[in-house]
Amino acid sequence: DTAVSQTPKYLVTQMGNDKSIKCEQNLGHDTMYWYKQDSKKFLKIMFSYNNKELIINETVPNRFSPKSPDKAHLNLHINSLELGDSAVYFCASSQVSYNEQFFGPGTRLTVL
Amino acid sequence: GNSVTQMEGPVTLSEEAFLTINCTYTATGYPSLFWYVQYPGEGLQLLLKATKADDKGSNKGFEATYRKETTSFHLEKGSVQVSDSAVYFCALSSYGQNFVFGPGTRLSVLP
Repeated sequence: DTAVSQTPKYLVTQMGNDKSIKCEQNLGHDTMYWYKQDSKKFLKIMFSYNNKELIINETVPNRFSPKSPDKAHLNLHINSLELGDSAVYFCASSQVSYNEQFFGPGTRLTVL
Repeated sequence: GNSVTQMEGPVTLSEEAFLTINCTYTATGYPSLFWYVQYPGEGLQLLLKATKADDKGSNKGFEATYRKETTSFHLEKGSVQVSDSAVYFCALSSYGQNFVFGPGTRLSVLP
């Protein structure tokens, strides 16, 4: 009964490729997030999304785009991958934006 | 805007030592405060939380007290174990604002 799941767990790809990471939550939460964690473990929020509003961190390149087919899913598409995109990406969800967040296990992206 | 400051790591302790990881915050209004733990290769898990001043959150032997007068939420454990080795994140949230995470503090406990 995984609350927040992500696939794949590992993703290795070449520069310039386009890739997607999937996220699903079965908690019935209204808000979902994508975070990027760098090698020093610093967490940077990329997007937050509920059924009404997408909030984008203005520092995120527009090569990154979230797509939500329904309330339980928030996928992350990345176009024209660059070396600097290598990181661990976490999906999370919460009932409302200020409540505790539940995290997925992470996707380690390596761009060669 | 809201912000969280944590003591820089890494912190290295021997098993059964006392642990304190300092966390201070800046926020408007009345935030909720959280400690998350990230074990190697895993996602973040909520460790404990406190939603109002003087509340004490506790879990797995860890404790933290919401101190509004000092804007602090320090994490403590009386006797750490090797299995406590992880990265610990202090975080806050308030109504209408996104979560804010601290930079994380890596703890290594040696046998």
